[in-house]
Amino acid sequence: DVKVTQSSRYLVKRTGEKVFLECVQDMDHENMFWYRQDPGLGLRLIYFSYDVKMKEKGDIPEGYSVSREKKERFSLILESASTNQTSMYLCASRRQGAGQPQHFGDGTRLSIL
Amino acid sequence: AQSVTQLGSHVSVSEGALVLLRCNYSSSVPPYLFWYVQYPNQGLQLLLKYTSAATLVKGINGFEAEFKKSETSFHLTKPSAHMSDAAEYFCAVSFHTGGFKTIFGAGTRLFVKA
Repeated sequence: DVKVTQSSRYLVKRTGEKVFLECVQDMDHENMFWYRQDPGLGLRLIYFSYDVKMKEKGDIPEGYSVSREKKERFSLILESASTNQTSMYLCASRRQGAGQPQHFGDGTRLSIL
Repeated sequence: AQSVTQLGSHVSVSEGALVLLRCNYSSSVPPYLFWYVQYPNQGLQLLLKYTSAATLVKGINGFEAEFKKSETSFHLTKPSAHMSDAAEYFCAVSFHTGGFKTIFGAGTRLFVKA
């Protein structure tokens, strides 16, 4: 079974802090994704990575950056956290190909105070 | 533009009743279609996927969905609802010409009444 592990289930940070969210997958998937999930808005894509050291902006990249130094790990960075970044963050991975399903972690519920 | 619309942000059914969750997509190229389920405090899990092999797709937990090209729909059904089906359901679409992106619907929360 594919396992996508997010480092924290719940996280509380203060405005202006630099925040790191970590995601690790164990199935050698090429593609990895970061989404944020807000009530009524579904999932919105922040960034994705189609291979090691490769990344592309999604629909809402402002205020975020990512890092993928190793194939199994994809990190989301909030450069200077703001209260409007309080949300549920979901990481996903999949094999290369549009017809492949995504496998999700359990999410990190991030609160910025 | 390519998009996914889920009709109804909330659906309520009685236990044992038919479950019908609606999904329509907009696309000028053949789509890959997915349904995911999200239980409270968890990530999304794949229920089923359509990748052009058969129009009626069977998934886990007794769910199935039918791809209707003429209606650009991919509605999710289950003949008899169970209390454990209470969750949020997401329809999603991707395209072989669309690069890496998957478009998710806004989700439908299913309530099951005893």
